Amino acid sequence: DGGITQSPKYLFRKEGQNVTLSCEQNLNHDAMYWYRQDPGQGLRLIYYSQIVNDFQKGDIAEGYSVSREKKESFPLTVTSAQKNPTAFYLCASSIDIGWYGYTFGSGTRLTVV
Amino acid sequence: QQPVQSPQAVILREGEDAVINCSSSKALYSVHWYRQKHGEAPVFLMILLKGGEQKGHEKISASFNEKKQQSSLYLTASQLSYSGTYFCGTLDRGSTLGRLYFGRGTQLTVWP
Repeated sequence: DGGITQSPKYLFRKEGQNVTLSCEQNLNHDAMYWYRQDPGQGLRLIYYSQIVNDFQKGDIAEGYSVSREKKESFPLTVTSAQKNPTAFYLCASSIDIGWYGYTFGSGTRLTVV
Repeated sequence: QQPVQSPQAVILREGEDAVINCSSSKALYSVHWYRQKHGEAPVFLMILLKGGEQKGHEKISASFNEKKQQSSLYLTASQLSYSGTYFCGTLDRGSTLGRLYFGRGTQLTVWP
């Protein structure tokens, strides 16, 4: 079955560490997105990519980095510059956002310890 | 550009109806609706593409008033399974960015 796989499900980060969240899709979707979710805040866009080797900053990109070397993969790195990284991170993809909805992964819950 | 959702929370008994509203300050190309259960990923419910369009999904339907830049989600004869947080996502008209703006969500709780 096609879908989006995020890993790990839970991740713990020490202060000053970089961590990378994985997102893989086998839906053949061109566009991929990373959202951060905090209680009461809704979904806030971190980065998105509409094609391979190209990506754009979203609304809260500071302290994060991404790459899009393959169509199937869009990993997110949370750097030490992100001062408050504890949140639920969701990866999504879409074949065409003008006509179809997002398909979301199951999420990664990141906690700073 | 973040749309405004109302109400923030709704508590219902099984069988009651609810309406969730979503409004934007920008002209819209489309409105998406998603439902998220606690601790899970949001699930796509429907997309509304044209002004005045209404869509249905079992007892969940939605309308899109393009002129008012608003959309409403209607849940009729609610079931326990309808509990969750509902988000609207908007795609601005004329936008080349290819991304949605999400509201803060409406938490719906259905009691037996």
